[in-house]
Amino acid sequence: DTAVSQTPKYLVTQMGNDKSIKCEQNLGHDTMYWYKQDSKKFLKIMFSYNNKELIINETVPNRFSPKSPDKAHLNLHINSLELGDSAVYFCASSQDQTAPLYGYTFGSGTRLTVV
Amino acid sequence: RKEVEQDPGPFNVPEGATVAFNCTYSNSASQSFFWYRQDCRKEPKLLMSVYSSGNEDGRFTAQLNRASQYISLLIRDSKLSDSATYLCVVDSGGYNKLIFGAGTRLAVHP
Repeated sequence: DTAVSQTPKYLVTQMGNDKSIKCEQNLGHDTMYWYKQDSKKFLKIMFSYNNKELIINETVPNRFSPKSPDKAHLNLHINSLELGDSAVYFCASSQDQTAPLYGYTFGSGTRLTVV
Repeated sequence: RKEVEQDPGPFNVPEGATVAFNCTYSNSASQSFFWYRQDCRKEPKLLMSVYSSGNEDGRFTAQLNRASQYISLLIRDSKLSDSATYLCVVDSGGYNKLIFGAGTRLAVHP
């Protein structure tokens, strides 16, 4: 059983389209995250949810809208896709909210290519 | 100054070599420290947590120096399978956010 699963694994789409990425974790964790890894391989946090509540919203364009229907799911919807949105998007989860003691468990990533 | 800084490498070493990676962090309020490993086109995976007293897991030894805000990872007897990017990771000081360094690439050759 995959602990943190993301779909789709690959996404190729045209500029201006709207797309969604889904994430689910079966670890019973309370907190979930979206990270973006760009072409320079730098991992940056975008959003964090704790038990369905948004707790971190980094400086991300409002074309990106996360949604957490329950604590096991965190989805990411992106409107009006731009070339610069091309990256690998990783979902992650952690057991605790403050100063995570055990690190994060990552999903396998969604490679988004905007053409 | 970047929040977490690492030498990007690459470190090219022969099998059996000992290699050390260093990392510095800027937030003195950080409390949790980790090394992650990321293989090409894969997700980051937790290698080990880093404790003030230093800790060892097989061929891997991690050290933390809070006064200097410095973290290290030592790999002994390198294997081909150790080839990967090693990410230094630090929490943001109580905001439930892990900050990732850009990674140090290791290539172990026969």
